[in-house]
Order: sequence, then C-alpha cells, then structure tokens
Amino acid sequence: GAGVSQSPRYKVAKRGQDVALRCDPISGHVSLFWYQQALGQGPEFLTYFQNEAQLDKSGLPSDRFFAERPEGSVSTLKIQRTQQEDSAVYLCASSPNLRAGELFFGEGSRLTVL
Amino acid sequence: GENVEQHPSTLSVQEGDSAVIKCTYSDSASNYFPWYKQELGKRPQLIIDIRSNVGEKKDQRIAVTLNKTAKHFSLHITETQPEDSAVYFCAATPGISSGTYKYIFGTGTRLKVLA
Repeated sequence: GAGVSQSPRYKVAKRGQDVALRCDPISGHVSLFWYQQALGQGPEFLTYFQNEAQLDKSGLPSDRFFAERPEGSVSTLKIQRTQQEDSAVYLCASSPNLRAGELFFGEGSRLTVL
Repeated sequence: GENVEQHPSTLSVQEGDSAVIKCTYSDSASNYFPWYKQELGKRPQLIIDIRSNVGEKKDQRIAVTLNKTAKHFSLHITETQPEDSAVYFCAATPGISSGTYKYIFGTGTRLKVLA
C-alpha cells in the first residue's frame, strides 16, 4: 500500500466496552510500533513487533491492553473494559528493517471513551 | 529507562528568523535521534535524523546537532516560513545494544511562525 493505514479513524466507546484498533503497515516492513498520544502530548510507547514476535510490551499501561501481529503483517491493538483515561489517539508506525531508522506513521485512531 | 526532555514547549518567531528546539536524553546507549513534524490532525513525519557517530547534519534550512558528552541534541530551522508552523517532536532510541528498538519521544514544541 501507499502508506500505513489505520482503522477505524474515530471510535467512540462507552466505558466498559472492548475496542479493537487495526493497523496495516507498509508492505514488507518488518517492524511495527504502537504509540498512545494524549492531547497536546508526545507519542508514548506501548509496544513493538519484529515480524510476528512482540519484542517489547513494556509500555502497555495495564493488562487491559493487548496487541498482536499473528502473521507478521496486520496488527491489532485491543483494549478491554475501556476507561475514560484510555481516550487518546493511537498511532501505529512501521519501519522497513531492524536498524533504527525512520518510522512511517499512520493517521491514527482517535478513541473517545464516554 | 530512557527519558527525553524537550524545550521549549511553545515557540513563536517572526517569519525569516531562526528557531531552535533542544532535547536532552538520559540513556547514554542511545544512538539514533530523529525529529518529527506533526501538523494539526496529521501524522508525525520525519524531517531529519542523526546517528551517534555524527555531530551535525544539515538539510537545506534544517539542521540537527548532537552533543553525546552532554547528552543533548538540537533542531535548528533557519529562515522560518509560515508553513514551518507545527508541533515538533524529538526522539531517542538506544537500539539493539539495550535490547530494544523502542523510540522515546519528547513532549513536543509548538512552533508558530508569525507572518
């Protein structure tokens, strides 16, 4: 594809609902990252994958957050029993290889928990 | 773990003037330092980056300098234009030497270029 694609772009959830956010990285990109960006703040690291392996999930704020990338391409970030503090933009980024380099970000999924 | 501090949080300059944004990092193993520009409602996009074996890098009106000893790096924009108005984020990553490629971002600088 032309770039990193995320869906849905906007999601409104009632407190307690489960949500799933999808990320389609650039084809062939090995690394995939999830970030949480609160309003007016910088992206906060959540987790990253190298192919299908989740190498670092130290940024996931609680066990309500779960990410997977079963076939090393599309990734899903799942948030269970959403809370108001989960409201943020969730950014996905991919990178072509393992050497530190440019991250290609998606447009993000804006989650609002009422 | 790595921590990145960024200053100032907001910066207003007159068109044509220079702008400087500074970041400090805590992990001496960090070896890659990118800068991203994020326009309102848009995705962050890389504008320039530098690796730890280089002290300065320039791309037209944009330059980045790195001081490994002091653990800080700066973004310099010369001859600012209204389209430079955006939020700028610095980041640092320790790379595989620390067992992770996670990128730690600063809190951002909102740059306003006044016409």
